[in-house]
Amino acid sequence: DAMVIQNPRYQVTQFGKPVTLSCSQTLNHNVMYWYQQKSSQAPKLLFHYYDKDFNNEADTPDNFQSRRPNTSFCFLDIRSPGLGDAAMYLCATSSSFTDTQYFGPGTRLTVL
Amino acid sequence: GESVGLHLPTLSVQEGDNSIINCAYSNSASDYFIWYKQESGKGPQFIIDIRSNMDKRQGQRVTVLLNKTVKHLSLQIAATQPGDSAVYFCAENNPSNDYKLSFGAGTTVTVRA
Repeated sequence: DAMVIQNPRYQVTQFGKPVTLSCSQTLNHNVMYWYQQKSSQAPKLLFHYYDKDFNNEADTPDNFQSRRPNTSFCFLDIRSPGLGDAAMYLCATSSSFTDTQYFGPGTRLTVL
Repeated sequence: GESVGLHLPTLSVQEGDNSIINCAYSNSASDYFIWYKQESGKGPQFIIDIRSNMDKRQGQRVTVLLNKTVKHLSLQIAATQPGDSAVYFCAENNPSNDYKLSFGAGTTVTVRA
């Protein structure tokens, strides 16, 4: 029944060691989003794809990249994780920009 | 600053009582609002939404009220249960910001047995 799936649920990496987080969806939605959420805060949008069109938020660090090889999958690459990148990373999808966003369970990233 | 915010960061409710969570928004052009529930260690879960052409919408045990005059949104939970303990976020779909969601700061609801 899972509609937005994120893997892994927990990821531990070392300072500076690249890491990739995965998101997949069974909803066939056009839009996929990546959010970062730190403790006790609201989700913060990093970037989104509408189909293959990529949109980066102005304040998203260059350290964060994303790939969307097909409709179902989207990846978040953190090239050189710093201690400040430890957070919950949330993937969401929506049919269009004006429709409901549905979130995955998140990946909790720990940076040692 | 954020365009959507919640009035209280925490709410403690007796089991069985009704809960009311409030949210204010500042963009009068916003036309779509969503309430999410986020349990510890999980992603936000859609609860209910409302579009600006409505002022009330009901779901199962939840009701969302929209007052466009004062730009206020509320979530009412009837007969609050222990499983309702979570952080609740309101979110505003902002047409002046390319329809990106603007989240409020969140209200932590704790249900007392």
